[in-house]
Amino acid sequence: DTGVSQNPRHKITKRGQNVTFRCDPISEHNRLYWYRQTLGQGPEFLTYFQNEAQLEKSRLLSDRFSAERPKGSFSTLEIQRTEQGDSAMYLCASSWTGDHEQYFGPGTRLTVT
Amino acid sequence: SQQGEEDPQALSIQEGENATMNCSYKTSINNLQWYRQNSGRGLVHLILIRSNEREKHSGRLRVTLDTSKKSSSLLITASRAADTASYFCATDLDSNYQLIWGAGTKLIIKP
Repeated sequence: DTGVSQNPRHKITKRGQNVTFRCDPISEHNRLYWYRQTLGQGPEFLTYFQNEAQLEKSRLLSDRFSAERPKGSFSTLEIQRTEQGDSAMYLCASSWTGDHEQYFGPGTRLTVT
Repeated sequence: SQQGEEDPQALSIQEGENATMNCSYKTSINNLQWYRQNSGRGLVHLILIRSNEREKHSGRLRVTLDTSKKSSSLLITASRAADTASYFCATDLDSNYQLIWGAGTKLIIKP
């Protein structure tokens, strides 16, 4: 299967802990996106990369959130000092420049207790 | 904040019937996309319509776009149980590929 993969699929953590999620995009894709989705809502854009450069960040991405994409391949999203409001599904998607269609991974469901 | 609003929020129809869902948005767009999300396959792209297009077809899907009314509709004909899912519209404002999403329409197909 050469689709977008995300790990872990589920993460339960205690408030105040740090968590890190990983996304492996489709190998030919140079753009990578992170979204957050809460129950009953559509995805909310967080940030995106073109190759290794982080080109845009949403104001939703507080200082506790950081994303990296070293070498323009996989990406990690870290949340420091997690809060209960961070509980959500974190979705990763990838695409190729010039192709508007985004391909999504299965998501990482974060529960902060 | 979310750009798009889908209507209705939920829709339940009999298998074989047609399903229509609508999306309204607030600002000018470069293109509008429809995605489907179910627990089995996650978010999947269905169809894209550009701002200079008025109608587009893909299999049992028909999408219309009215830029003067800032609205789009998705029609699924001859619905099947497998069409049960949430359907989202997502707008691309200036082709920087940042998609802004609505809250979705939950579609249930009854056998």
